Amino acid sequence: GAGVSQSPSNKVTEKGKDVELRCDPISGHTALYWYRQSLGQGLEFLIYFQGNSAPDKSGLPSDRFSAERTGGSVSTLTIQRTQQEDSAVYLCASSLMTGEGQPQHFGDGTRLSIL
Amino acid sequence: GESVGLHLPTLSVQEGDNSIINCAYSNSASDYFIWYKQESGKGPQFIIDIRSNMDKRQGQRVTVLLNKTVKHLSLQIAATQPGDSAVYFCAENMDDYKLSFGAGTTVTVRA
Repeated sequence: GAGVSQSPSNKVTEKGKDVELRCDPISGHTALYWYRQSLGQGLEFLIYFQGNSAPDKSGLPSDRFSAERTGGSVSTLTIQRTQQEDSAVYLCASSLMTGEGQPQHFGDGTRLSIL
Repeated sequence: GESVGLHLPTLSVQEGDNSIINCAYSNSASDYFIWYKQESGKGPQFIIDIRSNMDKRQGQRVTVLLNKTVKHLSLQIAATQPGDSAVYFCAENMDDYKLSFGAGTTVTVRA
């Protein structure tokens, strides 16, 4: 597709379960980002990939959160032992490169609900 | 209609009028700024961007103004249409890659 694709679009799971969220960036984009948006809030930076490496993981809320990117393309964000406070919309973005003049383009997110 | 001052969370505007959305940013070293539009259930959609070496940039029906002296951005939408109803976020590019988002302004267009 032409845009950033995320799956699933919605995920409901029980507290304590692990979840895996997927992001397929725009073809050719080298930079990939994960953000989290809680209800009615702005976006909170989680992690950034340049190629397959993650130079900045500083936004990950706890060690239950991890992410990887393989082949310089698809990325997965994994949350282990989910908690109710993990409920949010998880948004992925990609850009051709980093820096000024390189806007990030977002997918429609995965809406995660922890029961 | 205008969100007067630094930031108001909501803006109601008559269809056909011009809208002005204001945003304050935090880091005087930021060199790149982006406006996004977010509709319900969707991800943020890129509208327009501006680099710090510019004061003004125009797109289709939108204009972004940057005042570095007071660290202020504004987005002007000409002839506002019902399809412009959404939440609008300004974002500053921190550390060359990390976007820091403002609180967002909900724009409602009255018919």
